[in-house]
Amino acid sequence: NAGVMQNPRHLVRRRGQEARLRCSPMKGHSHVYWYRQLPEEGLKFMVYLQKENIIDESGMPKERFSAEFPKEGPSILRIQQVVRGDSAAYFCASSQTSGINTGELYFGEGSRLTVL
Amino acid sequence: KQEVTQIPAALSVPEGENLVLNCSFTDSAIYNLQWFRQDPGKGLTSLLLIQSSQREQTSGRLNASLDKSSGRSTLYIAASQPGDSATYLCAVRVQGAQKLVFGQGTRLTINP
Repeated sequence: NAGVMQNPRHLVRRRGQEARLRCSPMKGHSHVYWYRQLPEEGLKFMVYLQKENIIDESGMPKERFSAEFPKEGPSILRIQQVVRGDSAAYFCASSQTSGINTGELYFGEGSRLTVL
Repeated sequence: KQEVTQIPAALSVPEGENLVLNCSFTDSAIYNLQWFRQDPGKGLTSLLLIQSSQREQTSGRLNASLDKSSGRSTLYIAASQPGDSATYLCAVRVQGAQKLVFGQGTRLTINP
């Protein structure tokens, strides 16, 4: 049973380019979460998605960042016109349930973005 | 706004010692609390999940407790080993939202 799969593991972009990070949740999981970990900082929530729906994007910067979780295929976090401050590790997590019977979150290995 | 604090930020102990890591949170309206381990450059590994109705969970040498009313959780590691060296993160699942709020972590070093 494969865990949460993220790719690419490492991504280097120049300022102004676009970054696309992909996440395939664990089998049977329909809830996906994206978190960002800036150097020497804790993990910060960005967005929570279910299939074809963004449920909570309260942690997502208003500009340049977008996320989707289509009916088929992985969830994608897209960063347009990257800046040096976007350099961070981006983690995806998935869970089977939500609400009061919320289960464990399982995290991927992360995608480390470096902006030159 | 939920805030999670972990003390100490770093801890170094000799192998074989029992130790306690602390986590506190400001809002007791949580669904659950989860402890994770993160090795350098790696992802997060879930260690223990405590639902809001539970008081503790155990897995091997690890025991986590939850006192929701006082906003505290502890992670107890028995008979520590060098392989336990990692950063330990505490996170709470906020009621009414699905996000986890993380503490800054405790960087643990077990010296052989």
